Amino acid sequence: AQTVTQSQPEMSVQEAETVTLSCTYDTSESNYYLFWYKQPPSRQMILVIRQEAYKQQNATENRFSVNFQKAAKSFSLKISDSQLGDTAMYFCAFASWGKLQFGAGTQVVVTP
Amino acid sequence: NAGVMQNPRHLVRRRGQEARLRCSPMKGHSHVYWYRQLPEEGLKFMVYLQKENIIDESGMPKERFSAEFPKEGPSILRIQQVVRGDSAAYFCASSPGQGDYGYTFGSGTRLTVV
Repeated sequence: AQTVTQSQPEMSVQEAETVTLSCTYDTSESNYYLFWYKQPPSRQMILVIRQEAYKQQNATENRFSVNFQKAAKSFSLKISDSQLGDTAMYFCAFASWGKLQFGAGTQVVVTP
Repeated sequence: NAGVMQNPRHLVRRRGQEARLRCSPMKGHSHVYWYRQLPEEGLKFMVYLQKENIIDESGMPKERFSAEFPKEGPSILRIQQVVRGDSAAYFCASSPGQGDYGYTFGSGTRLTVV
């Protein structure tokens, strides 16, 4: 069975600074996808970034980038130039054979 | 192009009643997934369906819960004889098909059992 672990329950960062969220996973699959989702207080699940396991290049979406270490089964998210609107729960997720499996989440609080 | 539509947004049920949650997938998506989010927790997988087929129900409680995705109409998650512990947010996601991991989430249904 696959598991996804997020070891940081909460992270605080000042506006314009950088924060890195950690995620590790365990799987015996060779082909899979990894995701970071954001859940603001509105509760809507918003896709932040996605990485295919067969791609060595780290995915980037504007201020969001990942550090994908396949051998270490690590998938961290870096938020650069943090903005107040980035305040949300961030979930790491793993997908293989269809279904997504989520970590417990990290609450990110951006302060002025 | 409407996204994934879930209704109702909020649902209040008394203990022992039935709850029916509906999910209309995004146009062109034939795969539906249901997740449950308890307060202060992450999303837990419940069930994965195609039209008229249950692909994976490994996350569904053995009793009182059922799901369907008929040939016509929305996917339904049904909870019979609700208890207080069923109070949670229930999310639906859809994707175009197996091998395409482009998931789109609905806004969720918050079920409160009183």
